[in-house]
Amino acid sequence: QKEVEQNSGPLSVPEGAIASLNCTYSDRVSQSFFWYRQYSGKSPELIMSIYSNGDKEDGRFTAQLNKASQYVSLLIRDSQPSDSATYLCAVNGLGTQGGSEKLVFGKGTKLTVNP
Amino acid sequence: ETGVTQTPRHLVMGMTNKKSLKCEQHLGHNAMYWYKQSAKKPLELMFVYSLEERVENNSVPSRFSPECPNSSHLFLHLHTLQPEDSALYLCASSQVPTDYDYGYTFGSGTRLTVV
Repeated sequence: QKEVEQNSGPLSVPEGAIASLNCTYSDRVSQSFFWYRQYSGKSPELIMSIYSNGDKEDGRFTAQLNKASQYVSLLIRDSQPSDSATYLCAVNGLGTQGGSEKLVFGKGTKLTVNP
Repeated sequence: ETGVTQTPRHLVMGMTNKKSLKCEQHLGHNAMYWYKQSAKKPLELMFVYSLEERVENNSVPSRFSPECPNSSHLFLHLHTLQPEDSALYLCASSQVPTDYDYGYTFGSGTRLTVV
């Protein structure tokens, strides 16, 4: 069973701080990795994707991938109260039939940014 | 209409009712998905349709019946549900092979309550 593990939190940081969210995955053949943000009562929205080892930066967000350690993280710099949400890590894997693909999600980490 | 549209947004049904959830995507994607999101659990993949063919069925009870008449529309037919089926049901679409930059696009979800 492919698994994606995240600390459920809650993670609380002060406004302006760096929030660090972590994720580990069990399937070594996974190729692509995604971070979704989900506000309470809303659907998940994609904020970052990464598929090469190293860092990928987009504005205040940086995704980090280490395939050897099966670890992916998300850093949020200069955290804002509007960043308060649940962050879902998702890992691409193969489906049960040839050629099919699917995303496996972690339980999510709830982040609260305090003004 | 843009993105992924789900109707209805909220649904309350009795255990003997029959209802259907509808999903429509306007992104030109070729794969569609049903996910179930319950409190304190990760997103659970229910069904995957790729090129209108069902390629994944994750041991979902037969009281849930999907239908994908074309690559833009996906339905989830519900009958004789149980209270534990109350959850947020999310539809998503994507382009396969995986578009690493865009991942899945989710609809707003249907909040289902079974009484």
